[in-house]
Amino acid sequence: EAQVTQNPRYLITVTGKKLTVTCSQNMNHEYMSWYRQDPGLGLRQIYYSMNVEVTDKGDVPEGYKVSRKEKRNFPLILESPSPNQTSLYFCASSPRTPYSNQPQHFGDGTRLSIL
Amino acid sequence: DAKTTQPPSMDCAEGRAANLPCNHSTISGNEYVYWYRQIHSQGPQYIIHGLKNNETNEMASLIITEDRKSSTLTLPHATLRDTAVYYCILTGTASKLTFGTGTRLQVTL
Repeated sequence: EAQVTQNPRYLITVTGKKLTVTCSQNMNHEYMSWYRQDPGLGLRQIYYSMNVEVTDKGDVPEGYKVSRKEKRNFPLILESPSPNQTSLYFCASSPRTPYSNQPQHFGDGTRLSIL
Repeated sequence: DAKTTQPPSMDCAEGRAANLPCNHSTISGNEYVYWYRQIHSQGPQYIIHGLKNNETNEMASLIITEDRKSSTLTLPHATLRDTAVYYCILTGTASKLTFGTGTRLQVTL
């Protein structure tokens, strides 16, 4: 089944403890992206990747890192999490960049709580 | 990126057509209009997209005005399971996507 898989689905942790949210897609998509969703603010893009070893900042990249060493994986790294990063996170992928007429497929989300 | 404007909420009776408007007056010639929806806190689900022609698929219809400054998503026979937040977004030369706050559609009995 074609899908975008995020892990963990839920995580409660403490300030400053490094964490990684994994994202994997099995559709051989080139484009991958991370979003966060907060009440009243909709989805905001954190980082995106056009292809392996190519990443760029979205609208809210501060406090996050990403890597794209393989096409299928796009982990989101919080080196020193803070409470303002408590949010619902989504990973998405599409065959190519959005402007090339390809919809994005989203994962089921990861709910992070930073205490 | 160009922005979109949607009403914050709409109601629709079950079995009726739900027509969700979106304004995108600053749309560029190469930007597509995409519609996604999000049920509860699940991942957004793709519905439909178009450039300038009207589009239809098994889920919905999309009508884009001739000047491309607005569009309407139609769910022909809304059901309770269509209750969700619907996002109208534009994609163009930038690789970033900007989701607004969408329209919360409530389908009622």
